[in-house]
Formats: sequence, structure tokens, C-alpha cells
Amino acid sequence: QSVLTQPPSASGTPGQRVTISCSGSSSNIGSDYVFWYQQLPGMAPKLLIYRNDQRPSGVPDRFSGSKSGTSASLAISGLRSEDEADYYCAAWDDSLSGRVFGGGTKLTVL
Amino acid sequence: QVQLVQSEAEVKKPGSSVKVSCKASGGTFSSYTFSWVRQAPGQGLEWMGRIIPILDIANNAQKFQGRVTITADKSTSTAYMELSSLRSEDTAMYYCAGGLGGLDAYWGQGTLVTVSS
Repeated sequence: QSVLTQPPSASGTPGQRVTISCSGSSSNIGSDYVFWYQQLPGMAPKLLIYRNDQRPSGVPDRFSGSKSGTSASLAISGLRSEDEADYYCAAWDDSLSGRVFGGGTKLTVL
Repeated sequence: QVQLVQSEAEVKKPGSSVKVSCKASGGTFSSYTFSWVRQAPGQGLEWMGRIIPILDIANNAQKFQGRVTITADKSTSTAYMELSSLRSEDTAMYYCAGGLGGLDAYWGQGTLVTVSS
């Protein structure tokens, strides 16, 4: 199983706000930045959020990230059909001396 | 705009090795960090390791210690990932990702490696 824990699925209707959680420990989320990736079906992942809450240029401000202690969250507001994708959190793990990912959350827009 | 172009799909026999390339264009290659991430069919993302060409420093995930070698050729702006002693469980899409400050801002299109006898 993955070092970071995410719910396997999430869903929402267009326009809604959804939140995806990511739980870790003191050796990863608790001591380093959290990153979020979006993977559309059949595509390579895309960096969505870096350093907990920063958006790369081109990422809509509907996407926001936050971190508290050993947990982090990705929020998507004004949900759109094109947001249907897999979302992954990631962080550096000091104990493993490597980056670790969450298992991914499949977001369905109903 | 930075672009990462990976080598073509490969089919390998168990026990053999595969070397996947990732050619960068449009950016300052040496200043970037390049990571390798793989995804088995229907599964999540798995970090394999990274390299910082300007420092010539590479580190790998513990799971792949002794089996993966990540290198970079600054003269051709190409990063490489070689995985040895292949087994069926290594069948996956392999991605390279790069960016400044360790951010995986740019991703290659992926290289499918199939391990089959």
C-alpha cells in the first residue's frame, strides 16, 4: 500500500466544491512540502499544486491546496466535467530518502 | 516552452535490462532536476529516482536500489533511466519529469515497457 493515504474515489456535480484528502506522517507531509498531480485518462500526470498551496502558471484558481500537520487537502471549486481525472498527492519522505505518492483518488463528475 | 520527449515502447525478456531516454528541449537542461516515475497498468504512481545534472547527483528509491541507474548527458540534454533484472512486475508506463527547483513541471509522454517471455 502507499505511504500517503488518499480516498480511492470522490465525486461531485458540476459547480460543486470537492475536497480530496491526503494523510501522511511526520517523516513526509509533516516535514516537507506537498505536491498534487492531475492525471487525465490516458495522459501523463500534470503538476497541479506545489509547495503545499502554490499553483503553476496556467492552473486555474479553482484548484487550491492546503496542509496542516501530517495531512493535506486539495480543493476543487466550481467543478467541471473536464476535472474528471485521477489526483495524486506526493511528498518527500525523510525516512525513505525518496518521494512518496498517495494511491490516487479517482474524481467523478456526476 | 520545455518539452520532454521519451524513447519508444520496449518489449523485454525477464532478466534483461531496459534503458529509457528523455530528451529535453526549450530549457536549461543542467539546471533542472529530472525524476523518473512509473505506473503499472491500472495502478498508481511510483517514484523511482531523480538526477540533478548540474551537480551530477542521483538518488534512487530504496525499492530499486541496485537495479536502477539514472544518468544524464548534458551534451545532448538527455536523461536516462536503466532498469535491470527485469521481471513481469516491471511492466509499466515509465515517465520522466523535470523542472527547476525539483518541481516536476514538465512531463514526457511516457514509455511503455512490457516484460514478457
